[in-house]
Amino acid sequence: DVKVTQSSRYLVKRTGEKVFLECVQDMDHENMFWYRQDPGLGLRLIYFSYDVKMKEKGDIPEGYSVSREKKERFSLILESASTNQTSMYLCASSFSLSISFSGRAENNEQFFGPGTRLTVL
Amino acid sequence: SQELEQSPQSLIVQEGKNLTINCTSSKTLYGLYWYKQKYGEGLIFLMMLQKGGEEKSHEKITAKLDEKKQQSSLHITASQPSHAGIYLCGVFTRGGSNYKLTFGKGTLLTVNP
Repeated sequence: DVKVTQSSRYLVKRTGEKVFLECVQDMDHENMFWYRQDPGLGLRLIYFSYDVKMKEKGDIPEGYSVSREKKERFSLILESASTNQTSMYLCASSFSLSISFSGRAENNEQFFGPGTRLTVL
Repeated sequence: SQELEQSPQSLIVQEGKNLTINCTSSKTLYGLYWYKQKYGEGLIFLMMLQKGGEEKSHEKITAKLDEKKQQSSLHITASQPSHAGIYLCGVFTRGGSNYKLTFGKGTLLTVNP
């Protein structure tokens, strides 16, 4: 079974602090993702990575950066935490992020970690 | 951008009752994914549909994708308290040069014993 782990389940930080959220997957997946989940807004993609040292902005990258130095690890960094970054952060990984030549979409399912509930005071 | 609607937003049923959750996309999709989330936890993958008319089942949960590949329904038969949680659909589409998985806002299911 795919296992995605996140470094903390709950985190409380102060405004202006630098925050690191770590995610590790054990299935040799190429792709890793960071989302935040807020009531009424659903899941929103912050950043994703399709290979080591490669990253792409998602829908809401402002105020965040990421790092992927090793294939199994994807870190989300809040350079200077603000109260509007209080949220549930979810990491995910997937084997594929494309469609086959025959138009099939297997192996694109994302497997999620347990989430980190971050509170910024 | 991809428009994705889930309905209803929330649902309260009595144990033993059947229920249906719908997911509608404004565009044809390559794949549709159903996930379940317990409060405060991560998402658990349930099943994936990609062919028009395809239907899959997992225990008492059945999901179907319509022929046009724009709408999916998730049906739970004889609901149990263990079915309670948030059900999210995700659609796999192409945006520019990238593919992405876009999620609906979820349906909160409560099952009363």
